[in-house]
Amino acid sequence: SQQGEEDPQALSIQEGENATMNCSYKTSINNLQWYRQNSGRGLVHLILIRSNEREKHSGRLRVTLDTSKKSSSLLITASRAADTASYFCATDVGTSGSRLTFGEGTQLTVNP
Amino acid sequence: NAGVMQNPRHLVRRRGQEARLRCSPMKGHSHVYWYRQLPEEGLKFMVYLQKENIIDESGMPKERFSAEFPKEGPSILRIQQVVRGDSAAYFCASSLNTGVQNIQYFGAGTRLSVL
Repeated sequence: SQQGEEDPQALSIQEGENATMNCSYKTSINNLQWYRQNSGRGLVHLILIRSNEREKHSGRLRVTLDTSKKSSSLLITASRAADTASYFCATDVGTSGSRLTFGEGTQLTVNP
Repeated sequence: NAGVMQNPRHLVRRRGQEARLRCSPMKGHSHVYWYRQLPEEGLKFMVYLQKENIIDESGMPKERFSAEFPKEGPSILRIQQVVRGDSAAYFCASSLNTGVQNIQYFGAGTRLSVL
């Protein structure tokens, strides 16, 4: 399996519900980031969590990181139709250039 | 402060032609990254550049692909003799720093279609 795998691949919920997406990775990391991509558009950075952090909040977003399990989760609370997008986790392993390694993404659909 | 600017947004080429994709990083950013995204997949790293230097090109195909980031002007991703398999969305990102706070800001991408 690849560095940065998300599950589920697709998630469909109703407005107002919470959405949880998970990401697993294989190597040690400097940080893990979550990005959002609307259909046909570029990626928008949502949140960065460093390897020495366990939880981080930003508005309706909550990210957790468990380095012992090499996993992270993104929780979106009180979802809205406008949250419909693909969500990607990306790991920064801190090698030269700090390139990001992306997972395959979770397609979230929030139904009005 | 304008974001990362990529052009063109859409590019159509016939097999064997050349494709040139441009990326202007955010003001003040000296680190540029190129990624490729195939339909229904995540982004795959291609190359990382700083001004006038290629730092990491481990994700670049060995042939036909090249990248530059000159002292003046945008970064260019160049694909020679395109083939149908090159059809994809190509994203450029820039960052201010590397290291533990390396946040990359992405452009809207160039969608390349090879006929």
